[in-house]
Amino acid sequence: DAMVIQNPRYQVTQFGKPVTLSCSQTLNHNVMYWYQQKSSQAPKLLFHYYDKDFNNEADTPDNFQSRRPNTSFCFLDIRSPGLGDAAMYLCATSRGQGAAEQYFGPGTRLTVT
Amino acid sequence: AQSVTQLDSQVPVFEEAPVELRCNYSSSVSVYLFWYVQYPNQGLQLLLKYLSGSTLVESINGFEAEFNKSQTSFHLRKPSVHISDTAEYFCAVSDITGFQKLVFGTGTRLLVSP
Repeated sequence: DAMVIQNPRYQVTQFGKPVTLSCSQTLNHNVMYWYQQKSSQAPKLLFHYYDKDFNNEADTPDNFQSRRPNTSFCFLDIRSPGLGDAAMYLCATSRGQGAAEQYFGPGTRLTVT
Repeated sequence: AQSVTQLDSQVPVFEEAPVELRCNYSSSVSVYLFWYVQYPNQGLQLLLKYLSGSTLVESINGFEAEFNKSQTSFHLRKPSVHISDTAEYFCAVSDITGFQKLVFGTGTRLLVSP
């Protein structure tokens, strides 16, 4: 089945230690998104890629970076995680312009110790 | 810019009872509307969507939602809930241009008890 895969499902990192979260998709979608969802809150868009074009949300901290080496993969890098970055990180995809629906992966729950 | 209001943070209901989860939105442009469901420690799954056409949309598991433009609402209903419907439900909107950035409401936790 075509799908959005996130690895790992659970990630523990230390305060200030860089961490990378991974997302892959078999849907061949043009757009990939990263959302941050803190406990009992709505998902908040961090950034998205349309093909290779990177689009950062205005309020996304500089501590968060992303890479998309090819259509299938997208990475979220947190350069110096703080305790406030503990959250569920959701990856999503969509076909692109004119496509309304986003398809979500299962998420990676990040714990910062 | 769009915004979404889900007034009820939690809705407790007994099994087989009807339920309505409320969603109101604000937007200066035409929008698409969505309901997503999230089970514990899982990602979001699309439940149903309104893009155009009939204002009443249905999901395969018995939920329905009606787009009401004059009231800027998109309430979710189910005539008879099951224990397995216990989850967090998010209403979301996106404008119909550009990349359809999703703006989510704060979510409603549906708690179904026997």
